[in-house]
Amino acid sequence: DAGITQSPRHKVTETGTPVTLRCHQTENHRYMYWYRQDPGHGLRLIHYSYGVKDTDKGEVSDGYSVSRSKTEDFLLTLESATSSQTSVYFCATKLTANTEAFFGQGTRLTVV
Amino acid sequence: DQQVKQNSPSLSVQEGRISILNCDYTNSMFDYFLWYKKYPAEGPTFLISISSIKDKNEDGRFTVFLNKSAKHLSLHIVPSQPGDSAVYFCAATSSGSGGYQKVTFGIGTKLQVIP
Repeated sequence: DAGITQSPRHKVTETGTPVTLRCHQTENHRYMYWYRQDPGHGLRLIHYSYGVKDTDKGEVSDGYSVSRSKTEDFLLTLESATSSQTSVYFCATKLTANTEAFFGQGTRLTVV
Repeated sequence: DQQVKQNSPSLSVQEGRISILNCDYTNSMFDYFLWYKKYPAEGPTFLISISSIKDKNEDGRFTVFLNKSAKHLSLHIVPSQPGDSAVYFCAATSSGSGGYQKVTFGIGTKLQVIP
């Protein structure tokens, strides 16, 4: 398994505050992804990166931004958290585009 | 609009019997399909995949069947074991989405294997 660490694993934050989730990988995979998992919606892509400083939007990118300054780190920022962003967030990595994804253990975020 | 649909939210099967999980897709550009398994409080893990040039791929107890004309795929688990109890996600991607960069997931099917 790719060494993927998400931090924090759990977080409770207040509406309107900025929040940053971190994904760290040790496998030198080129591609990194942020998904959110919600009941009735499965896994939905927020943003992804195809290299250092190269990112693109997914299907639910509004209210989120990302940065990737190093191969191993992919940060997801909620600029002003809202209750609709309460979710479980998963980071994933892929060695190449056409290989399977490896997922982190998830971050449970609650916005109150 | 869900492009990957898993219409059965849950499935219960007796240990030793076959489990069949179904998935339908609407995007005709999808040409590579994957199944992931997820246990509670863990991230999904890759299970098996199939390219659109094939109609079947087998890996041990797991077999995925693809029917392109019906835009349907299914995952067969034989024999089912209690450790197979998990949520199974169907996923699809295409060479057109930046060369498989983006993957679209279904909402998942929760499988319970009863001892």
